[in-house]
Amino acid sequence: QQQVKQSPQSLIVQKGGISIINCAYENTAFDYFPWYQQFPGKGPALLIAIRPDVSEKKEGRFTISFNKSAKQFSLHIMDSQPGDSATYFCAASVSNTGKLIFGQGTTLQVKP
Amino acid sequence: SQTIHQWPATLVQPVGSPLSLECTVEGTSNPNLYWYRQAAGRGLQLLFYSVGIGQISSEVPQNLSASRPQDRQFILSSKKLLLSDSGFYLCAWSKGFGTGELFFGEGSRLTVL
Repeated sequence: QQQVKQSPQSLIVQKGGISIINCAYENTAFDYFPWYQQFPGKGPALLIAIRPDVSEKKEGRFTISFNKSAKQFSLHIMDSQPGDSATYFCAASVSNTGKLIFGQGTTLQVKP
Repeated sequence: SQTIHQWPATLVQPVGSPLSLECTVEGTSNPNLYWYRQAAGRGLQLLFYSVGIGQISSEVPQNLSASRPQDRQFILSSKKLLLSDSGFYLCAWSKGFGTGELFFGEGSRLTVL
């Protein structure tokens, strides 16, 4: 029940295309859903996050879509660029516990 | 501004040898501190977290231990390394539990041979 399942494991997109990564969770107590971006050899960094009181959050080319009833959320990267090539992790937590549970990660490659 | 440092960045150790990875945070006080391990294709696994000096919570029973001797220092240790301890170890901090945002260090890559 503590798991967050992420798909696909890897993704190849052409420059200018849309990258979509999906995550699903079971624990209905989760109330914070961030996405982290990690470049090779570096630690992950927060990209964008959402709470379950909204269904969508957009920051520049990055959008989180959240479906509370389906217990799913996804990251959309519009107009994908080669510089977006990285590993993306979804995560979830119960905010007053401070413990983030991460998905397995998606390696995104954007081809020029 | 706050910064987080981890060292060493890379470590190659034989099976059965001890381990000590260190993490320090600057620019904040009383942070929550975390150790995660990242194995290939398996995401980030929470190993330990700490809400204060000497307070350690273990998430996964294993060959590792953690200590927090000072407010902004977090140490990951092992007395005898196993092959399965190989991985990328990440220290992180957060300011309280409210936002859930973690700030990660650069990581320490451990190879056990």
